[in-house]
Amino acid sequence: DQQVKQNSPSLSVQEGRISILNCDYTNSMFDYFLWYKKYPAEGPTFLISISSIKDKNEDGRFTVFLNKSAKHLSLHIVPSQPGDSAVYFCAAPGNYGGSQGNLIFGKGTKLSVKP
Amino acid sequence: KAGVTQTPRYLIKTRGQQVTLSCSPISGHRSVSWYQQTPGQGLQFLFEYFSETQRNKGNFPGRFSGRQFSNSRSEMNVSTLELGDSALYLCASSLAGTLEGYTFGSGTRLTVV
Repeated sequence: DQQVKQNSPSLSVQEGRISILNCDYTNSMFDYFLWYKKYPAEGPTFLISISSIKDKNEDGRFTVFLNKSAKHLSLHIVPSQPGDSAVYFCAAPGNYGGSQGNLIFGKGTKLSVKP
Repeated sequence: KAGVTQTPRYLIKTRGQQVTLSCSPISGHRSVSWYQQTPGQGLQFLFEYFSETQRNKGNFPGRFSGRQFSNSRSEMNVSTLELGDSALYLCASSLAGTLEGYTFGSGTRLTVV
């Protein structure tokens, strides 16, 4: 059973416009969420996170929104730049054994930003 | 400050063989987690080690194993390789299993033929 879902495998947007990447989760025990960006043949790099006690977190061009009642979060990138083209993963710590070091990932959304 | 180092970067093995991958965490980090990335399943958690002890294990068969040494370096081993084991294997390190400083390496691309 997939606990973190990214239902859009790909997204294409024009440079300068907004990119919205979506993520749904099923486990109501998740208390923290992260977004990672990944280029081919590289490891994921941390982008932004949000605690379940908040509904919004902003960092520069990146904003994450959390809707706990809908078990849904989204990542907004404004304005989108060609360098943002990558695969974006949504993740949550499994918190098994008292550790956060076991992230549960969605399958990712490939973002293409066209000049 | 050196990042997480994974060796080798690329590896080609034959079905039935075994393979060992290495991960050197960031200096001072004591927790190492391993993940498998495949096109069909995405990124899946394999196991986590902290202070030489396996703390968590994902849903993978017993052919997948790992260990951690006293210097926090970690290895993972896959025995009796199958074609489906072809994947990018990533490790991540952190101070103590929290998300503070949680950093991924660039991965080892394993191809099983």
